[in-house]
Amino acid sequence: KQEVTQIPAALSVPEGENLVLNCSFTDSAIYNLQWFRQDPGKGLTSLLLIQSSQREQTSGRLNASLDKSSGRSTLYIAASQPGDSATYLCAVSPIYNQGGKLIFGQGTELSVKP
Amino acid sequence: DTEVTQTPKHLVMGMTNKKSLKCEQHMGHRAMYWYKQKAKKPPELMFVYSYEKLSINESVPSRFSPECPNSSLLNLHLHALQPEDSALYLCASSQRLGTGDSYEQYFGPGTRLTVT
Repeated sequence: KQEVTQIPAALSVPEGENLVLNCSFTDSAIYNLQWFRQDPGKGLTSLLLIQSSQREQTSGRLNASLDKSSGRSTLYIAASQPGDSATYLCAVSPIYNQGGKLIFGQGTELSVKP
Repeated sequence: DTEVTQTPKHLVMGMTNKKSLKCEQHMGHRAMYWYKQKAKKPPELMFVYSYEKLSINESVPSRFSPECPNSSLLNLHLHALQPEDSALYLCASSQRLGTGDSYEQYFGPGTRLTVT
């Protein structure tokens, strides 16, 4: 059974810091891994999707890496800003499930202080 | 346009009421999803539709009844809900379901449901 873990559960940093969020999964048989951002009471915004054949994806100040063999992904946020404060969720799409079901981690709640 | 819309934004209903949630996308996606999310928890999949047919029901109680009347629209009909059903209900869509691939899911803003 696929399990996804995110560490840390919460993180508070001063503005301007570079930071790394971690995501690990137990079964490397995945199609892809997706990082989402969720603001309180809002829906999920897709940040980056990494296909299983890829090692990383970049969008602006965000860079996500994927090491499928070790079951790990990281989301790197450069020069953090207060507007980056949100909960960040990673989710994998397991190969054994052909119905599109995503397996989510519990999320990392990020607070960036001015 | 990568937008998924949901109405209403907020809904308060009694345990004897019947109400419906609506989700719409105009991206030409052929897979649509309903998720339920409790506070401080990740979303939990409820239903998946593929080409307007129900593909997955994650053992959801029958008081939740999904409907996909066309490729752009997804409804969730609610009847005789319990207070523990209060949650954020999220709709999502993807290009399609793969049988050898997987596609990016796009989420709507959600409907905040309170059952009194």
